[in-house]
Amino acid sequence: DVKVTQSSRYLVKRTGEKVFLECVQDMDHENMFWYRQDPGLGLRLIYFSYDVKMKEKGDIPEGYSVSREKKERFSLILESASTNQTSMYLCASSLSGHFYEQYFGPGTRLTVT
Amino acid sequence: AQKITQTQPGMFVQEKEAVTLDCTYDTSDQSYGLFWYKQPSSGEMIFLIYQGSYDEQNATEGRYSLNFQKARKSANLVISASQLGDSAMYFCAMREGRDTGNQFYFGTGTSLTVIP
Repeated sequence: DVKVTQSSRYLVKRTGEKVFLECVQDMDHENMFWYRQDPGLGLRLIYFSYDVKMKEKGDIPEGYSVSREKKERFSLILESASTNQTSMYLCASSLSGHFYEQYFGPGTRLTVT
Repeated sequence: AQKITQTQPGMFVQEKEAVTLDCTYDTSDQSYGLFWYKQPSSGEMIFLIYQGSYDEQNATEGRYSLNFQKARKSANLVISASQLGDSAMYFCAMREGRDTGNQFYFGTGTSLTVIP
């Protein structure tokens, strides 16, 4: 059974804190993605990685960075969290060339106070 | 301009009936892909169906079919013989593959409720 896991289901952080969201997949997928989901806005792509140490900016990369040191792990970093980064964060993975068939994790609901 | 537009925030359908969820898209690329995801109340996104821009036939996956009308830039999802388990949020999405890299766009979603 395919699996994408995210380190936390719920997270509460203070403004200005550095926040790490971790995502791990066990399917040996080349592609990994980070999205945020907000009511009325759907999902928006933050960053995409197609290989270890390789990344591409998505639609809304400002305020975020990513790290992919190992194939199975993709981290999203909020360098200095702000209240407008309160959101549901979804990680996904897919096989190389199969961009559309993404397997999603359960999500992390981040609240920045 | 919105890349993906889903104009139906909520839809109701009787069990065993068919339902069409609308999706229009905006791109100037020649090569792109369109796909649909389902998000039940449990929250996990589930891939349903994919259509490439060069595919001449409409994609089908079991009870799901994608009504692709390229000239109208629409990619509607048709669910036949609705079941109670189909009640969920449905997202239309598009992938553009450009020289600057890939981009993925999701619509705002349509909430489908299947009535017994």
